[in-house]
Amino acid sequence: DTGVSQNPRHKITKRGQNVTFRCDPISEHNRLYWYRQTLGQGPEFLTYFQNEAQLEKSRLLSDRFSAERPKGSFSTLEIQRTEQGDSAMYLCASSLGLNSNQPQHFGDGTRLSIL
Amino acid sequence: AQSVTQLDSHVSVSEGTPVLLRCNYSSSYSPSLFWYVQHPNKGLQLLLKYTSAATLVKGINGFEAEFKKSETSFHLTKPSAHMSDAAEYFCVVSGLDTGRRALTFGSGTRLQVQP
Repeated sequence: DTGVSQNPRHKITKRGQNVTFRCDPISEHNRLYWYRQTLGQGPEFLTYFQNEAQLEKSRLLSDRFSAERPKGSFSTLEIQRTEQGDSAMYLCASSLGLNSNQPQHFGDGTRLSIL
Repeated sequence: AQSVTQLDSHVSVSEGTPVLLRCNYSSSYSPSLFWYVQHPNKGLQLLLKYTSAATLVKGINGFEAEFKKSETSFHLTKPSAHMSDAAEYFCVVSGLDTGRRALTFGSGTRLQVQP
């Protein structure tokens, strides 16, 4: 169990640019989640995959955001035409099983700063 | 809909004294409840989880929490605080109210430990 890995750890970019983050979940975990955390707040759910299928998207996930998990392993989160309000920590989590009581294991996050 | 309320945004204790972090939840179904801890610029680490077995749940690092259905509470306690316990703590609920698999986080409690 090498844990959930996220890259990059930090991303600084100018407003209007596109950014892409990667998440590698724990290898046997079939579920993968993306969350966004702004300063002083708890994480907020963005989207969720079971294997390669994206099963749920939050209203927070505007049309500038897209997430993929093409082979049911790693996932990418892309933000197009970034805005100041996109500045946040983006957290990825993974879990195993079909029940909601299975704990989610989090990566260390990608901190995005928009100049 | 499910929700969770952390009653204190900041708690300060002296090293060696007890810790109490308060959490109340709302859920139409029997919830799964978790406590996570987050150290600065890091992801979230699972402290403990409640999944309808024993109402007193023991976690890592000496933390424990008691599920009280009549009070809809899931408070986190530790008999003796250590300097390394200083961090942000999140009470989290997961359930089937809306068929969602994602976690709903409280707003967090920042624990300070004074020497």
